[in-house]
Amino acid sequence: EAGVTQSPTHLIKTRGQQATLRCSPISGHTSVYWYQQALGLGLQFLLWYDEGEERNRGNFPPRFSGRQFPNYSSELNVNALELEDSALYLCASSLARGGGQPQHFGDGTRLSIL
Amino acid sequence: DQQVKQNSPSLSVQEGRISILNCDYTNSMFDYFLWYKKYPAEGPTFLISISSIKDKNEDGRFTVFLNKSAKHLSLHIVPSQPGDSAVYFCAASAGYGQNFVFGPGTRLSVLP
Repeated sequence: EAGVTQSPTHLIKTRGQQATLRCSPISGHTSVYWYQQALGLGLQFLLWYDEGEERNRGNFPPRFSGRQFPNYSSELNVNALELEDSALYLCASSLARGGGQPQHFGDGTRLSIL
Repeated sequence: DQQVKQNSPSLSVQEGRISILNCDYTNSMFDYFLWYKKYPAEGPTFLISISSIKDKNEDGRFTVFLNKSAKHLSLHIVPSQPGDSAVYFCAASAGYGQNFVFGPGTRLSVLP
């Protein structure tokens, strides 16, 4: 069974640009979650999509947005990039909506802002 | 307000001994808990879970204990192996329809 896949592995941008990160969940999983892990910090919850709908979002500004496609894959978009957006962005998927099922993570996209 | 806390940023243990990683939470609505292990440059890997109807769950060398009254859970690894050296995160959820809240992680070093 293929795991959660994320692309690209690394992404380098400059301040003010826009970044798009992609995630393909495990087959059969309908929920997709996005997390930010800045250097030295834990996982900060960004967004959660289930069945194509945004179910919850963390304490991040509106320039962080995303969507989930009919095949349950997902995109995370970050507009007007700032230096502090440099981080590892992790995507996870799970079988059911929210709690009660473990989340399975991809290896992340390392976003670097110059 | 940090709802899930892991107060030890790091822990060192000798190979073959027991590793005990601790996690405290503040939200009494949390009823499902997970532990993850993370190696550098990889995503977190699910280790073990426990729901609030239990106070213990075992899977091989890994055992998770839950003390609901103290709002505390712990992960025991016995015996510890050098390959267990990683960052361990605990996560909690208030149940169906709720997302997980992660702790800041504890870096475990198992010394040969």
